[in-house]
Amino acid sequence: QVQLQESGPGLVKPSQTLSLTCTVSGGSVNSGGYYWSWIRQHPGKGLEWIGYIYYSGTTYYNPSLQSRLSISLDASENQFSLRLSSVTAADTAVYYCARYSSANNYFFFDYWGQGALVTVSS
Amino acid sequence: EIVLTQSPGTLSLSPGDRATLSCGASQSVSSFLAWYQQRPGQAPRLLIYGASIRAPDIPDRFSGSGSGTDFTLTISRLEPEDFAVYYCQQYANTSPLTFGGGTKVEIK
Repeated sequence: QVQLQESGPGLVKPSQTLSLTCTVSGGSVNSGGYYWSWIRQHPGKGLEWIGYIYYSGTTYYNPSLQSRLSISLDASENQFSLRLSSVTAADTAVYYCARYSSANNYFFFDYWGQGALVTVSS
Repeated sequence: EIVLTQSPGTLSLSPGDRATLSCGASQSVSSFLAWYQQRPGQAPRLLIYGASIRAPDIPDRFSGSGSGTDFTLTISRLEPEDFAVYYCQQYANTSPLTFGGGTKVEIK
């Protein structure tokens, strides 16, 4: 059973960089066919896709966040990470990591972490 | 960007009722649509992908239909654990992937 777990600071100051790590167990981030993803949910709101990374290191970002965003992979630790720079209060959200999988050319987020609340405040 | 519009925003029903949730896309997404359930305080859970294919271990009271721009998630008989928020998500256009705003199914 694949499990994902987010970790990182729950409080970030405005203008600083938000950093989160997702540790994967029960599966390898080096496996082809999966995209390791970040999704966020503003308080009481819907879901927003942030971006994902393939095992090869290729990244795909939401254009609305692309200029501030970096997603990386550490196969030795079986982890992937999110860095979002120049944060504001609008970046306060629950951040989920998730696995984006495919079957018969259909794609879906099949495994999710429990989510990590990150608050941007001084 | 493909915008997904879910309706209604809130559905007030009783256990045993049939729930019909809609998701409309601003342009065709073919069958590249998934549905997720999110219970309070939990991460979303995949229910349906390919518009109509149930994910593993999802009860058969959940069914999805539609293609192009109009999609429906039907819960044939609501169980207590089905009262939650439901999101649709498209992957026809990955720049960006988008989710609908959600439909909350609440107990009447």
